[in-house]
Amino acid sequence: NAGVMQNPRHLVRRRGQEARLRCSPMKGHSHVYWYRQLPEEGLKFMVYLQKENIIDESGMPKERFSAEFPKEGPSILRIQQVVRGDSAAYFCASSLNTDTQYFGPGTRLTVL
Amino acid sequence: AQKITQTQPGMFVQEKEAVTLDCTYDTSDPSYGLFWYKQPSSGEMIFLIYQGSYDQQNATEGRYSLNFQKARKSANLVISASQLGDSAMYFCAMRGQFNAGNMLTFGGGTRLMVKP
Repeated sequence: NAGVMQNPRHLVRRRGQEARLRCSPMKGHSHVYWYRQLPEEGLKFMVYLQKENIIDESGMPKERFSAEFPKEGPSILRIQQVVRGDSAAYFCASSLNTDTQYFGPGTRLTVL
Repeated sequence: AQKITQTQPGMFVQEKEAVTLDCTYDTSDPSYGLFWYKQPSSGEMIFLIYQGSYDQQNATEGRYSLNFQKARKSANLVISASQLGDSAMYFCAMRGQFNAGNMLTFGGGTRLMVKP
């Protein structure tokens, strides 16, 4: 039973480009969460989605960031017009119901 | 609002000894869950142990146990018989059942270094 998959593991973008981060939850899990981790800090919640629905986006920046979890396919975290401050590790987690969240390996975004 | 505090930025422990990593929390939720995750240098987040606020007994998972003291709002992680592979960042996290939706709130982490 594969765990949470994220790709790419590392992503380098220049300022102004778009970044697309993908997350495939564990098999059978319909709850997906995105977190951001700045260097030497804990994870900060961004958004919580179920299939085709955004449940809680209270941690998402108001501009340039969006997330989706379509009926088919992975969840996508999209960052438009990236800036250096977006450089961070982005983690996806999934859960079966509202119980333990299992994390993917993360995507490390570097903005040049 | 929920808050998790980990007051130990770094800890050393001798191999084969036990170590306690501190975690205190604050919440107004009547029901909540507490989690510990391990983040080795490779960067992934590994789930270690879970404690529900209404669980009667402290959680245990192999060498990990959670010293849950509800009145003191603390949920310390105890690692017995430390191994070199335990060297990592450890994060305490909380999930509220009602007020805070389903998201996890994380502490700032404790870096554990196991000495041979």
